[in-house]
Amino acid sequence: EVHLLESGGGLVQPGGSLRLSCAASGFTFSSYAMSWVRLAPGKGLEWVSGISGSGGSTYYADSVKGRFTISRDNSKNTLYLQMKSLRAEDTAVYYCAKVRDDSSSSAAFDIWGQGTMVTVSP
Amino acid sequence: DIQMTQSPSSVSASVGDRVTITCRASQGISSWLAWYQQKPGKAPKLLIYGASSLQSGVPSRFSGRGSGTDFTLTISSLQPEDSATYYCQQANSFPNTFGQGTKLEIK
Repeated sequence: EVHLLESGGGLVQPGGSLRLSCAASGFTFSSYAMSWVRLAPGKGLEWVSGISGSGGSTYYADSVKGRFTISRDNSKNTLYLQMKSLRAEDTAVYYCAKVRDDSSSSAAFDIWGQGTMVTVSP
Repeated sequence: DIQMTQSPSSVSASVGDRVTITCRASQGISSWLAWYQQKPGKAPKLLIYGASSLQSGVPSRFSGRGSGTDFTLTISSLQPEDSATYYCQQANSFPNTFGQGTKLEIK
């Protein structure tokens, strides 16, 4: 069964750092681009960052560019999101998501993790 | 960046009704459009990809149409379990962007 499991969320002070992980199973991880998507309280879904299957190409939303870094370890079937200089507006549930199409970095997301909550507060 | 605008922002309908949600892209995205359903406390679920292709396991009462800039998601006969928030997403280019969501309530 295809499965994604996020971890690493928690409470962090403004200006702090956090690293999220997403463990993948049930598919050939290195063949698929992956993304992080967040849902802030009372808001809609926001795409945060994406990475190609090889890890050679990365993409970011303007709201996190320069502060967040996406990476992957295909030997460990794990996706990461390093978050620095965190702000209150980064408070959200963060989901990792797998693209449906193994031939494209940009595509619909067919598998999602359950999400991990990040709270940025003094 | 491509902006995605959904309408309406909320809708209330009865079981058995036909409901249509619209999504408009700020520039042409061909058929690179997906629709998701999200229920409170749950991860989003892919319903439609490629603007009109039904994801495996999704009931056939869900359908999608459109290309270029204008897209629709239609639920042909509303069921109680369809109460959720629905999002469109463009996958034509990065940054991938979502619509602001449409909250569907069952009367």
